[in-house]
Amino acid sequence: DGGITQSPKYLFRKEGQNVTLSCEQNLNHDAMYWYRQDPGQGLRLIYYSQIVNDFQKGDIAEGYSVSREKKESFPLTVTSAQKNPTAFYLCASMSGTGNTGELFFGEGSRLTVL
Amino acid sequence: GQQVMQIPQYQHVQEGEDFTTYCNSSTTLSNIQWYKQRPGGHPVFLIQLVKSGEVKKQKRLTFQFGEAKKNSSLHITATQTTDVGTYFCAGKGSSNTGKLIFGQGTTLQVKP
Repeated sequence: DGGITQSPKYLFRKEGQNVTLSCEQNLNHDAMYWYRQDPGQGLRLIYYSQIVNDFQKGDIAEGYSVSREKKESFPLTVTSAQKNPTAFYLCASMSGTGNTGELFFGEGSRLTVL
Repeated sequence: GQQVMQIPQYQHVQEGEDFTTYCNSSTTLSNIQWYKQRPGGHPVFLIQLVKSGEVKKQKRLTFQFGEAKKNSSLHITATQTTDVGTYFCAGKGSSNTGKLIFGQGTTLQVKP
């Protein structure tokens, strides 16, 4: 089946540890996105990539890093510099061209920092 | 920067009542999209509006895009318990940055 796969679904980590969230898509989409969701705050854009080997910061990039070495993969690292990392993280890819396509979301990764 | 505000944050209705959520942007949008997120789930695309004044319907759902392309609304007629969830609007600015900016979402509860 085509879609976006995020892993792990749940993750617990201690403060000060880096964590990498996986996002893989087999939809052949060029653009991929990482959003963070907190209660009552909607979805906030962390990083996005419109093409392989290129990515841009979103609105809340501090404390996060990404790579886009393959079209199918867009992993997100939550570093120890992120002050409040506990959240629900959503990866998405966009269909279409000219940035007018719809977003397809993965099922999300819920990170809890103890 | 571009901001998208959505109201209300929460809405509780009796089954059969109507429901509306409103979305306002600080800048003119090239298009606006609506998503629904069921409790415990991920956002799912509902529709995209592109033209000024555009109105689209999906069964009991009516979507509107304002004449100035700065606001939008989603209206649900005769809500059902299956409508429960959080509805997000997401707007793209006029520049070709590739970013969709999401509103805070409206969480709808429907009492049977």
